[in-house]
Formats: sequence, structure tokens, C-alpha cells
Amino acid sequence: GENVEQHPSTLSVQEGDSAVIKCTYSDSASNYFPWYKQELGKRPQLIIDIRSNVGEKKDQRIAVTLNKTAKHFSLHITETQPEDSAVYFCAANLVNAGNMLTFGGGTRLMVKP
Amino acid sequence: NAGVTQTPKFRVLKTGQSMTLLCAQDMNHEYMYWYRQDPGMGLRLIHYSVGEGTTAKGEVPDGYNVSRLKKQNFLLGLESAAPSQTSVYFCASSERTRNEQFFGPGTRLTVL
Repeated sequence: GENVEQHPSTLSVQEGDSAVIKCTYSDSASNYFPWYKQELGKRPQLIIDIRSNVGEKKDQRIAVTLNKTAKHFSLHITETQPEDSAVYFCAANLVNAGNMLTFGGGTRLMVKP
Repeated sequence: NAGVTQTPKFRVLKTGQSMTLLCAQDMNHEYMYWYRQDPGMGLRLIHYSVGEGTTAKGEVPDGYNVSRLKKQNFLLGLESAAPSQTSVYFCASSERTRNEQFFGPGTRLTVL
């Protein structure tokens, strides 16, 4: 099966700085890599995703990069704001398995005003 | 659209009791999933379903059963609850042709 590792487990940045969260995956057949944001007591919500035929994707202040050869992908948040404080999860899919996702352990991001 | 809903929101059980968690979605999604989330950990897949009448095991299926009698509903059952099943349970759904999963609000379960 798929194994997804996520680092760091906690990340503290000053408002306005950038934040980078990294994930590695084990199954070279995986072709879909979403990132979810989970605020305290709330449900996970998709913030950005990338497919294996693309190396980078941007959406305003967030971007995701994918290195298929090295089997790792990263979330980049620029100009961080206090409302970016949350737990972020990466995931990778299992191909031909009902869109099944394997999640990383999560990163708690704290943005200090 | 309500999206994905879960009942109940909270539940406290004693060891050995049974209960059923209900997940409902109004997006006509073919696929549905049950996850558990423990403190400081990611989401782990318990069971999933790719269609009405079909279910499959995920990463941590032991101690749980599921049923998908209707396309819009996915039930998670605990036959004999154990303290190790204390967790937050999330249901999710997705279209067959799109990978994005939509999550419900979660059920916080405590087993004493």
C-alpha cells in the first residue's frame, strides 16, 4: 500500500513570512496529491491539489510542487496570515482503489501576529 | 445542498456497548469513506464503498462494520465498543470520476 510521511509536525512562523510543508510518498503509481486544511474542531477542507502530469500549481498565496522522480511534494504558503493557522494534511491516492487516499500525519502551522 | 452530514455529533459509550454512526450525502456521489482521527495523527481509513451494496476494508477495519444500502447513506457500526475506539470519526464522499473528497463535520466518540 501507500505510505505518506509529512514534515515538520509543527511549524511556527511570523506573520508575513513563508511556510513550507513537505511530504514523501512510496507508491510510484500514485497520481493525485491533495492538501487539506483543518481548523480546530472543524472538518478537513481541500485547499489545493495536483496531479502527476503537472509539476507545480498555484492559487493566490498557496502553491504545490511535485517531484515525481523523488516521490515528494510540497505546500508553499506565502505572506502568511493569522487565519492560516491550522493543521495541514497532505495525501496521496491509491490508483484503482475507489479514489482512496492515504494521509500524512499532519503539520500544525502557527502564524504569530 | 447540505453536502455531507453526520449523526450524532457527540456520543459517550461504555465498553461493550454498540452503536451506529450515520453518514448522508446529497451530492449523488458514488464513493463514500469512513475515517478515524486520533490526537496528533492524520486520518486513517476504516472502510470505504464504491457503490450501493458494496464495501471494502481500509487501513484500520478491525472492530467496525459498515453498510451501504442506499447510495446516499453509509453506516459505520461498532458492535462492542472498546476504549481504543475513542476518536473523532469523519465520513467523506467523492464522485467516481473526480478524486476530491468532501468531508462531513465529524462525530466525537468517547468509550469509557
